[in-house]
Amino acid sequence: QSGLTQPPSASGSPGQSVTISCTGTSSDVGAYNFVSWYQQHPGKAPKLIIYEVTKRPSGVPDRFSGSKSGNTASLTVSGLQAEDEADYYCSSYGVSNTLRVFGGGTKLTVL
Amino acid sequence: EVRLLDSGGGLVQPGGSLRLSCVASGLSFSSAWMSWVRQAPGKGLEWVATINRDGGDKYYVDSVKGRFTISRDNAKSSLYLQMNSLRAEDTAVYYCARRDVSSQIFDYWGQGTLVTVSS
Repeated sequence: QSGLTQPPSASGSPGQSVTISCTGTSSDVGAYNFVSWYQQHPGKAPKLIIYEVTKRPSGVPDRFSGSKSGNTASLTVSGLQAEDEADYYCSSYGVSNTLRVFGGGTKLTVL
Repeated sequence: EVRLLDSGGGLVQPGGSLRLSCVASGLSFSSAWMSWVRQAPGKGLEWVATINRDGGDKYYVDSVKGRFTISRDNAKSSLYLQMNSLRAEDTAVYYCARRDVSSQIFDYWGQGTLVTVSS
């Protein structure tokens, strides 16, 4: 099944770094630098935190960074803080299965 | 400041209809592609539909084709989602979002409106 695959969960202690992966295909993540990441706290709307693989919108802390290698994109959160506990979703242009424009989401827990 | 205000959600019986609205402010609405994204309870994000600037092009996820219609009124800075023949699986929080096609992102989101399809 085409689409974007994320691990369902990730965790880290305050101050540590954690990386969340997003695996696509050579037709989407691997083909375009249009990978984006969204943060969603419970009961809130998603918020864009990374776009075009590595760029951060104004106001997003530089603790959040993005990268890509081949068909896999990654979001790294450095210096974990309690408020980073949230769900994170990746998205990529080119996904052929429009049901999977977004990855399945990763729940980040700050221990 | 960009604001998207979603409204129109509620409880509806299976087979019923509902119309969602989204009023935009703080952005050039007539220049913006707009989308609806939904999230079923406890589930992930699902793209539903997108409309281009003048409403001439519309795109839908397969599961809503023929049942949902996205539209807009640029004079009112408003986006709509007409939902017909609703099913239990359409139960979700529906968010309107601006689609920035230059970066292929959803950069601004409404607060969401809950649609519950149940008898």
